[in-house]
Amino acid sequence: QVELVESGGGVVQSGRSLRLSCTGSGFNFGGYEIHWVRQAPGKGLEWVTLIWHDESQRYYADSVKGRFTISRDNSKNTVYLQMNSLRLEDMAVYFCARERDWSFDLWGRGTLVTVSS
Amino acid sequence: DIQMTQSPSSLSASIGDRVTITCRASQSVNTYLNWYQQKSGKAPKALIYDASKLQSGVPSRFSGSGSGTDFSLTISGLQPEDLATYYCQQSYTTPRTFGQGTKVEIK
Repeated sequence: QVELVESGGGVVQSGRSLRLSCTGSGFNFGGYEIHWVRQAPGKGLEWVTLIWHDESQRYYADSVKGRFTISRDNSKNTVYLQMNSLRLEDMAVYFCARERDWSFDLWGRGTLVTVSS
Repeated sequence: DIQMTQSPSSLSASIGDRVTITCRASQSVNTYLNWYQQKSGKAPKALIYDASKLQSGVPSRFSGSGSGTDFSLTISGLQPEDLATYYCQQSYTTPRTFGQGTKVEIK
């Protein structure tokens, strides 16, 4: 079936690194832009980053610029989010989402990143 | 960055009521405006794109309208399964900012 599945979340100390993965199935993964969106506990949705289908463009929220890097391997139907220098305020559920018609039409279930001091 | 402001932040309505949530952008986003529904503990679900177009499989009681800076999401005939938080989002430019959310409760 058509789905996105995130993985890689966990507990990490402040200042350390973590890499998340988003794997798609059931559709032409390499034909779509992919976003990461996060949600801190009890808070709203925050857009984090975007990668174009061909990896030619990447965009980041100011809150993660210089610390997070998005990449993709279309041969593995996977987008990665490398998160360095993690802060307490990065603690959230991280969702990946597919963009279609300028909307996020398909979302994964999310993966929880917990940052401890 | 474009700021998205939703109102109200929460509302309580009865089954069968007509419910309207508004979303205002800090600058024009044309019709690059989307609406999402998020139920507790779940991922968001796309409802409306391009301000007024229904995503596939979304019940017809949901509708969207607006352009420029002012938008609305209407639920015509609230159902128990509509208990959720609703978010607007602009896709006119990056960062793709979201509104703060509107929590819909059932009386």
